[in-house]
Amino acid sequence: NAGVTQTPKFQVLKTGQSMTLQCAQDMNHEYMSWYRQDPGMGLRLIHYSVGAGITDQGEVPNGYNVSRSTTEDFPLRLLSAAPSQTSVYFCASSTRVDGYTFGSGTRLTVV
Amino acid sequence: AQSVTQPDIHITVSEGASLELRCNYSYGATPYLFWYVQSPGQGLQLLLKYFSGDTLVQGIKGFEAEFKRSQSSFNLRKPSVHWSDAAEYFCAVGAASTDKLIFGTGTRLQVFP
Repeated sequence: NAGVTQTPKFQVLKTGQSMTLQCAQDMNHEYMSWYRQDPGMGLRLIHYSVGAGITDQGEVPNGYNVSRSTTEDFPLRLLSAAPSQTSVYFCASSTRVDGYTFGSGTRLTVV
Repeated sequence: AQSVTQPDIHITVSEGASLELRCNYSYGATPYLFWYVQSPGQGLQLLLKYFSGDTLVQGIKGFEAEFKRSQSSFNLRKPSVHWSDAAEYFCAVGAASTDKLIFGTGTRLQVFP
């Protein structure tokens, strides 16, 4: 039982490049979310999903896309990377009553 | 709209001293409330959660928190802090219908020997 797995752990992108951050969970959780963490700002919700085929925007969705074709996977796509997207990204999943389980994070630098 | 305020950015305590980290929330209905801890370079670990029932909840590592509806607060406490408790602590509020979780900006705890 691996929990929530995020890949890659580290990534450097050039401005304008696109990429996908992967997130997979093996706990059959309905709810999944993506957060970004920046110094002094806590964790801010980017996008979330309440089940396969259903996604919605969080606090800071601009520049990011998500999809949820299966219960297990919830990839986050950066369409055209900008330096302002330099951050640590966390994926999390939940059954509502258990609270969120977080992945170990992806540290992204955009140069 | 949901929001969470952690008024203390940084707290320093001596090892063995008691600890209280403050959390105030804004939410229209009965909230789901959580405290998470993050050690440097690590992910977030759930300390405790409140959904309903007893307003004093016990968590891992000797932590507890009390839900006070009249004050919209969910403060985290520990009677005696250990050096290993040094970390950043986040309070979060969840919506029952969507499970969307909103975090506070965190409180960094430093423990002196």
